[in-house]
Amino acid sequence: EAGVVQSPRYKIIEKKQPVAFWCNPISGHNTLYWYRQNLGQGPELLIRYENEEAVDDSQLPKDRFSAERLKGVDSTLKIQPAELGDSAVYLCASSSNRELGKLTSYEQYFGPGTRLTVT
Amino acid sequence: AQKVTQAQTEISVVEKEDVTLDCVYETRDTTYYLFWYKQPPSGELVFLIRRNSFDEQNEISGRYSWNFQKSTSSFNFTITASQVVDSAVYFCALSEVNTPGRRALTFGSGTRLQVQP
Repeated sequence: EAGVVQSPRYKIIEKKQPVAFWCNPISGHNTLYWYRQNLGQGPELLIRYENEEAVDDSQLPKDRFSAERLKGVDSTLKIQPAELGDSAVYLCASSSNRELGKLTSYEQYFGPGTRLTVT
Repeated sequence: AQKVTQAQTEISVVEKEDVTLDCVYETRDTTYYLFWYKQPPSGELVFLIRRNSFDEQNEISGRYSWNFQKSTSSFNFTITASQVVDSAVYFCALSEVNTPGRRALTFGSGTRLQVQP
């Protein structure tokens, strides 16, 4: 089974430029997440999709960040314009929300991430 | 609000030593999951173990074992007979079940483990 695919793996841009990241989740996973991981810290959620609907985007800086998940499969995260503080690793994850007895597992599988450097 | 604390920033051991990584969590939800993830130098987060809040039975899986104690809100992870390949950053994470907006993972800040040959 193929894992979560992300591209590009690395991106270097100048501040004020736009940038986009792409994610293809594991086949059949209806939930997709975008996280941002700053150096030396744990990942933090930016947005969560259930199929094509964004159900949790409270942490997404909407003035410059946007995301879409057309057709409920692939997703794109965009930053426009980028700022120096946006330098980080952007991680995509997906989960299938498996039923485990009385509980639903939200076990997430992560892609390799995109390391963004803004100069 | 939910919170995960990993007080150990970095641990260094010699190969074959046992090592325990500490994790303390905070949540108001009565139903939640706890996870451990490994992040090797390549950067990809690798799922290791999952535990739900109803099951405090501690288990061993190969060289990995974990100790979940609700009374102290701790979910510690032990690697037995550590190997150089275990060198990575380890993250503890929490996912609340009954709060739809919190089903994403809340991560701790990570513990960097270095296993010396």
